Amino acid sequence: EAQVTQNPRYLITVTGKKLTVTCSQNMNHEYMSWYRQDPGLGLRQIYYSMNVEVTDKGDVPEGYKVSRKEKRNFPLILESPSPNQTSLYFCASSLDRRGLSQETQYFGPGTRLLVL
Amino acid sequence: GESVGLHLPTLSVQEGDNSIINCAYSNSASDYFIWYKQESGKGPQFIIDIRSNMDKRQGQRVTVLLNKTVKHLSLQIAATQPGDSAVYFCAENLVTSFQKLVFGTGTRLLVSP
Repeated sequence: EAQVTQNPRYLITVTGKKLTVTCSQNMNHEYMSWYRQDPGLGLRQIYYSMNVEVTDKGDVPEGYKVSRKEKRNFPLILESPSPNQTSLYFCASSLDRRGLSQETQYFGPGTRLLVL
Repeated sequence: GESVGLHLPTLSVQEGDNSIINCAYSNSASDYFIWYKQESGKGPQFIIDIRSNMDKRQGQRVTVLLNKTVKHLSLQIAATQPGDSAVYFCAENLVTSFQKLVFGTGTRLLVSP
């Protein structure tokens, strides 16, 4: 089954404690991205990756890091989480950057993060 | 500025009615638009898309209308069912030197039996 998986689904942590949210896709997609979703603000892109070892900042990259060592994985790293990073996070993958085909745009189930 | 917004944050309809969800976009150069459905606890799911060279596109029970003159996009759901209850949001592709999708904030559709 074609899918994007994220782990963990729910996470409560404290300020400053490093954490990683994993994302994996089994569709051999080249393009992957991370979004955060906040009430009233919609989905905002954090980082994206066009291929292995190719990553770039999205609209709200501050406080986040990513890596793309393998095509299928795109972890999101919060080196020193702060309360304003409390949010719902989604990983997505597609064959091309814009996901212009119905068959190419897939979102993961989301990771709800609470930073105390 | 570059933004995608929705007119109504919550829409309540009766089962069997037709639903219309609206979206305004600000970038007249955007060439591609998508509607997503997001159910509680799940990630966004593609519903239907439309390119700027079209005014209308139909899917199964859904129709997207694009009015480029007033920069308006709508999603019509025919014979709305309780399973259609979700948050719906639109996204536009910004045609710049760096093409990207910009997402709207969402409208919650509540379908009563």
